[in-house]
Amino acid sequence: SQQGEEDPQALSIQEGENATMNCSYKTSINNLQWYRQNSGRGLVHLILIRSNEREKHSGRLRVTLDTSKKSSSLLITASRAADTASYFCATAPIFSKLTFGTGTRLQVTL
Amino acid sequence: NAGVTQTPKFQVLKTGQSMTLQCAQDMNHNSMYWYRQDPGMGLRLIYYSASEGTTDKGEVPNGYNVSRLNKREFSLRLESAAPSQTSVYFCASSSRDRGPTGELFFGEGSRLTVL
Repeated sequence: SQQGEEDPQALSIQEGENATMNCSYKTSINNLQWYRQNSGRGLVHLILIRSNEREKHSGRLRVTLDTSKKSSSLLITASRAADTASYFCATAPIFSKLTFGTGTRLQVTL
Repeated sequence: NAGVTQTPKFQVLKTGQSMTLQCAQDMNHNSMYWYRQDPGMGLRLIYYSASEGTTDKGEVPNGYNVSRLNKREFSLRLESAAPSQTSVYFCASSSRDRGPTGELFFGEGSRLTVL
């Protein structure tokens, strides 16, 4: 069963635009993580936000976490063609294992 | 550093055949995991090993066995492959000791087709 669910399932934008994807989850968590997967490759960790943090930045990435709404968002600013990939949120429920969502497929066109 | 290395990258099996997927990490991580990825299902945990000598079931362990050979290596075995096991398998490792809640480092995947 999926703890985290991403929205939208697919997103198509032009280069230079911002991309926002969301993740909702069901139970209390220790942390929430975002991963990127390029086509045919393994997942790469992007950022981890702990349950007591509200916002975190890493380069062009901005992650927010709202534990009252059990949701997170990943913002990629000034998107590039190289950002084309699937993005997964992974939640670490308290006393349980890391669980991945089904992902958002991002297409950035020139 | 190679990170997490999986072999083979591709494999085609007939129903009932057995095979072992190999995984090795060179990051001195204690925890290692096997996931499967199917379209529309995300990643699902098959088995994990919090440390050398220990293994535990994940969400979808049926039809699989694992061996934590040493700190570096964690293998996944399909004793009698079924078409439902057609999937992409990922090995991952983590430096956390308390289970799979920390940052994971993934291999490139092993694409298995069972006919």
